[in-house]
Amino acid sequence: GEDVEQSLFLSVREGDSSVINCTYTDSSSTYLYWYKQEPGAGLQLLTYIFSNMDMKQDQRLTVLLNKKDKHLSLRIADTQTGDSAIYFCAEIRNRGSTLGRLYFGRGTQLTVWP
Amino acid sequence: KAGVTQTPRYLIKTRGQQVTLSCSPISGHRSVSWYQQTPGQGLQFLFEYFSETQRNKGNFPGRFSGRQFSNSRSEMNVSTLELGDSALYLCASSPGQAGTEAFFGQGTRLTVV
Repeated sequence: GEDVEQSLFLSVREGDSSVINCTYTDSSSTYLYWYKQEPGAGLQLLTYIFSNMDMKQDQRLTVLLNKKDKHLSLRIADTQTGDSAIYFCAEIRNRGSTLGRLYFGRGTQLTVWP
Repeated sequence: KAGVTQTPRYLIKTRGQQVTLSCSPISGHRSVSWYQQTPGQGLQFLFEYFSETQRNKGNFPGRFSGRQFSNSRSEMNVSTLELGDSALYLCASSPGQAGTEAFFGQGTRLTVV
């Protein structure tokens, strides 16, 4: 299909790991992004990965990419209540000499219970 | 280093009016993109500007237009507002090279009554 797909909800207990999943559509080389949105705020860029990479780690965040299945995941270690937010996966299409167009999933609402 | 600045943060307009939203990108960034976020449609791409030229355009009616100035600041205009235009409008700033970071502003919340 043409859509970037994400599950809508995820609940975890504080201190556990969270894994947010996404499937994308572009089979060519592309960049894939994870954004966080808190209530009433804009999008905060968490991390991004090029599709020739398998993994990227940045402090508590680990991104895993399975190109064969076009599957992207974001793992948050030691999840805190402040991580409660909506997480968006996005891919670039229509690339040229500029950034291009970001296609977003519908977002995963992460709720962290104390 | 200042982030992406969008003004105003909140706006209430009446059907049929027009509105102009502003976005100042991160210093040195030359690409500005606009997105509309609604509960029903999610995040949808409006257009991208680079060096004062529109480089990409989404599937929005001609009532939605934009421009970019020589200092990379961008404005988005919506004419003949409809109730369905009520949304959070987000601006993204990027250096402009393909595949690099895209940083978003806090958005402008537009309510059409």
